Amino acid sequence: KAGVTQTPRYLIKTRGQQVTLSCSPISGHRSVSWYQQTPGQGLQFLFEYFSETQRNKGNFPGRFSGRQFSNSRSEMNVSTLELGDSALYLCASSFGGPINEQFFGPGTRLTVL
Amino acid sequence: KQEVTQIPAALSVPEGENLVLNCSFTDSAIYNLQWFRQDPGKGLTSLLLIQSSQREQTSGRLNASLDKSSGRSTLYIAASQPGDSATYLCAVRNRDDKIIFGKGTRLHILP
Repeated sequence: KAGVTQTPRYLIKTRGQQVTLSCSPISGHRSVSWYQQTPGQGLQFLFEYFSETQRNKGNFPGRFSGRQFSNSRSEMNVSTLELGDSALYLCASSFGGPINEQFFGPGTRLTVL
Repeated sequence: KQEVTQIPAALSVPEGENLVLNCSFTDSAIYNLQWFRQDPGKGLTSLLLIQSSQREQTSGRLNASLDKSSGRSTLYIAASQPGDSATYLCAVRNRDDKIIFGKGTRLHILP
């Protein structure tokens, strides 16, 4: 069974640009969550999607948005990039529901210059 | 507001020793607690998931316990090996469905 995949693995952007990251969950999983990981703040929850609906949201500005498609694949978009957005962005999938185990992808390393 | 703390931030032990990693949380109203390992520059690998109604879970050389009343979880690693070197993270899922991670314990097993 294939794991969670994320594309691209590495990205370099400049301030003010926008970026779109993609996540394909494990087959059969309907929930996708996104996280930002930085050395200073650690892992922080961005949002969670289930069956194409945003179910939960962390404390990030509106520049961070996402969506989920009918095949459960998810995209995350960051507009007007800032230097502080440089981070490892991780997505995780699960069957959905609060008791389910989360499985993580390898992450997308975003560098903003 | 839920806070998850992992102490120590870093730990070095000789190969073969048994060790315990700690995770504490401030709000006991959780659905579950999950332990992960992360190798440098990589994603997270799920190790063990403990539901709020459970006391412990075991997988191979790993055993995780959960004491909701005291807001603590421990991850016990038996007979440590150099391949166990990684950062270990715990995460709780709150009743509001948000997941809060600790900052992790960086473990180094000395050959």
